[in-house]
Amino acid sequence: AQTVTQSQPEMSVQEAETVTLSCTYDTSESDYYLFWYKQPPSRQMILVIRQEAYKQQNATENRFSVNFQKAAKSFSLKISDSQLGDAAMYFCAYRSAITPGTYKYIFGTGTRLKVLA
Amino acid sequence: DVKVTQSSRYLVKRTGEKVFLECVQDMDHENMFWYRQDPGLGLRLIYFSYDVKMKEKGDIPEGYSVSREKKERFSLILESASTNQTSMYLCASSYQGYGYTFGSGTRLTVV
Repeated sequence: AQTVTQSQPEMSVQEAETVTLSCTYDTSESDYYLFWYKQPPSRQMILVIRQEAYKQQNATENRFSVNFQKAAKSFSLKISDSQLGDAAMYFCAYRSAITPGTYKYIFGTGTRLKVLA
Repeated sequence: DVKVTQSSRYLVKRTGEKVFLECVQDMDHENMFWYRQDPGLGLRLIYFSYDVKMKEKGDIPEGYSVSREKKERFSLILESASTNQTSMYLCASSYQGYGYTFGSGTRLTVV
């Protein structure tokens, strides 16, 4: 069975600085998707970024980028120029690409990011 | 934008009550999911559905059931609420797994 591990329960970053959130996963599958979701205090979970395992190029979305290391099964999220609005719980998630039709995700336990003014 | 609406943000129920949590999505998504979120445990899948009247157990289905009579609505049912079901419940929908759209969550307290 697949697992997703976020080893940092909480992190802090100074406004305008860069922070990296870690995520590792375990799978025997070769094709899958990885996601980072953000859950602000308002509770609505929002998709931040998505990475297909077959793509070597790391995904980027404005100030958010990932470092995807397939062999190491590592998928970290880098937030550049941190803003107060980035303060939230961040969840890493895995979805198999081999079992379409179910599309269920496996989530990590989350990392709470605090942004200091 | 896809919208997923959960009928209640907060609920307080008594032990032994039958509880219904409702979730409605407006973009014709085939797949719908119910998760519970607990501190330190992340999101755990309770049930999911990939079509009307179809349902599959997730990782923690015990004490729960679901209903999907119409494509847009996916209901989670707590047959006899217990205090260990006090949690945040999140509903999500997706189109072919490209990314979940979540509702705002229902914080359920069972007393």
